[in-house]
Parts: sequence; structure tokens; C-alpha cells
Amino acid sequence: EMQLLESGGGLVQPGGSLRLSCSASGFTSSSFAMGWVRQAPGKGLQWVSSIGGNGATTFYTDSVKGRFTISRDNSKNTLYLHMNSLRAEDTAIYYCAKDPVPAASIGSNWFDPWGQGTLVTVSS
Amino acid sequence: EIVLTQSPATLSLSPGERGTLSCRASQSVSSYLAWYQQKPGQAPRLLIYDASNRATGIPARFSGSGSGTDFTLTISSLEPEDFAVYYCQQRATWPLTFGGGTKVEIK
Repeated sequence: EMQLLESGGGLVQPGGSLRLSCSASGFTSSSFAMGWVRQAPGKGLQWVSSIGGNGATTFYTDSVKGRFTISRDNSKNTLYLHMNSLRAEDTAIYYCAKDPVPAASIGSNWFDPWGQGTLVTVSS
Repeated sequence: EIVLTQSPATLSLSPGERGTLSCRASQSVSSYLAWYQQKPGQAPRLLIYDASNRATGIPARFSGSGSGTDFTLTISSLEPEDFAVYYCQQRATWPLTFGGGTKVEIK
């Protein structure tokens, strides 16, 4: 069974940094693109970033460009999101999700399955 | 950026009734549209991809249709476990975008 488990969330002050991790199991992670999607409290879904299976291709939503970096270590089956210069509006549950279509680069850009999420709160 | 507008915001229905949810794109996304279901306290689940293809394990009562800018998710006969929030998502262009969601609640 494919599973994704996020960790690394917590409370951080504005301007601070945080690194989220997503541990994958039940599949060969290097064969699939992965992504991060966030959900502010009581709000809808917002795509944050995606990375190809081989880690060479990355995409970001405009509001996080230059502040967030997505990366992966396929030897550890782990996806990361490095977040710098955090703002109050970055407060959200961050989900990692797998692209269901095998691809060395970016795949279908659908998300299935998703992890259970990790909460990031940016507040002083 | 492609904006996805979902309607209605809330749909009040009884179990056994048919549910029809709409997603309209600000420009054509061809058939590159998916639907997700999210229950309270849970992660979203992929239901439909490429407008009309059911994801693995999704019951046949869920169906998707449409192309271009207008899409529909139909739940033929609502089961108690179907009351949830539904989101559409497009992959036609970057950035990937989601609609604001439709909450299907028990009437």
C-alpha cells in the first residue's frame, strides 16, 4: 500500500524557516513526480510546488518563489520543502502528494494519494 | 493563472438524491480537469481525472463530464459517506489551480 507521511510542521515566527519532510513507502519514489499542496485553516486547496521523479524539474506557485525550495532524496524515499522568510499567510496544513503516473520528470500533475498533512503556523 | 469557479458553494441534498456540481474555468483547460473529495479532518482523495476517468477504487456513482471551460461532477445517488467538500483542479497550465470547493451537506 502506498503511504505518505509528513513531518516537520510547527509554530515559527514571521521571517523564520522550517523544513517539511514527506516519507514515502509502498512504491519506488524516483519513478513518480511529487508535490506539496497547502490548505489554510477553513479554506480551500492551494498548489505550492512540484518536482519531477528525478529531481531535475521543479515548479512553484508565484507567492513562494524565492522563499521555498522543493527537493527530494530518492535514496531515502523522502520529499522535502524548505521554507524561508515565512509569513503569516503561509499558515496552513501542508500535504505532500504523489503523481499517479510514472515519469522521470513531471507526470500527469494529478495528486493521488495524499499524506495526512502537517500544520505550519507562522505567528509571533 | 487559470481561475476555477465552483458552484454552488453549498449543495443541500438527501441520501439517495442526485448531486450535480459545476466547475467553470476562466479559459480552456481542454480535458485536463480533476475532481477531489475531502472529508472533515482528512486529506483529499482523487475521484476523477482528465474530466471523465474514475480513479482507482472510485464507485461508479461518481461520474465526470465536460471539456474546455465547463465541467460537471455527478453523484448519481448520494450515499451517507458522500457528504463532503469537492474540489476541481486543472493541470492545463502552470500554476496548477484548484476551485474554491462545493460542500455537499445533508438536507
